[in-house]
Amino acid sequence: KNEVEQSPQNLTAQEGEFITINCSYSVGISALHWLQQHPGGGIVSLFMLSSGKKKHGRLIATINIQEKHSSLHITASHPRDSAVYICAVNPQKLVFGQGTRLTINP
Amino acid sequence: DGGITQSPKYLFRKEGQNVTLSCEQNLNHDAMYWYRQDPGQGLRLIYYSQIVNDFQKGDIAEGYSVSREKKESFPLTVTSAQKNPTAFYLCASSIVGLGGGELFFGEGSRLTVL
Repeated sequence: KNEVEQSPQNLTAQEGEFITINCSYSVGISALHWLQQHPGGGIVSLFMLSSGKKKHGRLIATINIQEKHSSLHITASHPRDSAVYICAVNPQKLVFGQGTRLTINP
Repeated sequence: DGGITQSPKYLFRKEGQNVTLSCEQNLNHDAMYWYRQDPGQGLRLIYYSQIVNDFQKGDIAEGYSVSREKKESFPLTVTSAQKNPTAFYLCASSIVGLGGGELFFGEGSRLTVL
C-alpha cells in the first residue's frame, strides 16, 4: 500500500463546478504539500500546511491530522485549472502521491 | 525574478552515453533536490543536498551522480549505468531541507534514450 493515496485519479468536470481532490496518508507527518503540475511538466507549490485550513483565491486546502486526510477544493472551476494535482507528505523526506488529473471543460 | 532554471528542456541520448542536466537557482535556498517522474508514478527522490559540498542519496540514486560545488547549482549526471534513464527529471529547492519548507520547482528536463 502506498504511503500517500490520492482520489480520484482522474476527474472531469464542467466549468463552474466545485471540485474536491482527496489525499490520505499512512505515516506521521510534519507537513503536507499540495502541488500543481501544468501540462508542460512544470510544478508549482499551492499550499504547505500542517493543521487546519488555508485559502488562496479559489483554492482551499484542509487537513485533518487525526484522520490523516487532506482535501483540496477548487471553487468556480475554470478550464485553466486543468492540471495534475499532487499531494506530498513530509514524515522525514517528501513522499508523493500519484497525482489527480483534473480536466475542466468549458 | 527569482526561480529555478533547468536545462536542457529536452535531451536525447544514445545508450552508453553519460548526460548532465543543469539546475540553477537564484533563490538563495540551501536545499536542492532531483526527482524523477515516470508515467503513472509519483515523484521519486534521486539525490538531495542540504548544504554546499554535501549531498545524500535518495530512493533511486543508482546510476546517477551529482555535485554541489556552489549554492546555486546542483547538476545531475545520468550515467550509462542507469538501466532505464528515459524519464522526466525535475529539480527543486527549498529554504530548509526535506520538505520542511515550500518547494520551488524547475520546468523539468525530458530525457529520451534512443
